[in-house]
Amino acid sequence: QKEVEQDPGPLSVPEGAIVSLNCTYSNSAFQYFMWYRQYSRKGPELLMYTYSSGNKEDGRFTAQVDKSSKYISLFIRDSQPSDSATYLCAMTKSGANNLFFGTGTRLTVIP
Amino acid sequence: GAVVSQHPSWVICKSGTSVKIECRSLDFQATTMFWYRQFPKQSLMLMATSNEGSKATYEQGVEKDKFLINHASLTLSTLTVTSAHPEDSSFYICSAGTGEQFFGPGTRLTVL
Repeated sequence: QKEVEQDPGPLSVPEGAIVSLNCTYSNSAFQYFMWYRQYSRKGPELLMYTYSSGNKEDGRFTAQVDKSSKYISLFIRDSQPSDSATYLCAMTKSGANNLFFGTGTRLTVIP
Repeated sequence: GAVVSQHPSWVICKSGTSVKIECRSLDFQATTMFWYRQFPKQSLMLMATSNEGSKATYEQGVEKDKFLINHASLTLSTLTVTSAHPEDSSFYICSAGTGEQFFGPGTRLTVL
């Protein structure tokens, strides 16, 4: 079993839709959670960084962490064609810097 | 956020040759940098942790004699793919940072 599981998609939605991306993990040692966006042939770009259970909002993006269920989510409101990319969840343990990634979900927002 | 650069962004080489990829933290010092490899439509897989002034730590299954890492300064780590073969063709990405990791733009290696 992988330590971080993420549905690879692909996921296609119409412009303006709400997108929900999810990851589950098995290791309770993970304390810090991130969402990255990666455009084709580019390096990942950090979108959200959280370390506690609950919600964190930044513009159209909301990151949600449920440590009791070992489940994290990223919500994108009013999705735009420019949001089309691969979204990677990542997490790390306390005191460590190396990241454990999900497989990534490929999102396409159709105009 | 912090900026991490990589050079080159794209390289093609013949089988059997060696290729060096540079990773630089432009506006901060990084005692630790990470090297990842990403095959098409797959996620990033950690290859090794680069430590300034000491030996790199390699993940299981990654050949340290094939993927040479040098972290000679607080802003530069290099990855050298020695005797490259077509199966080494991949997207190589580095990251640096404390807590939050900032990624370079990646280097696409194609071995003919």
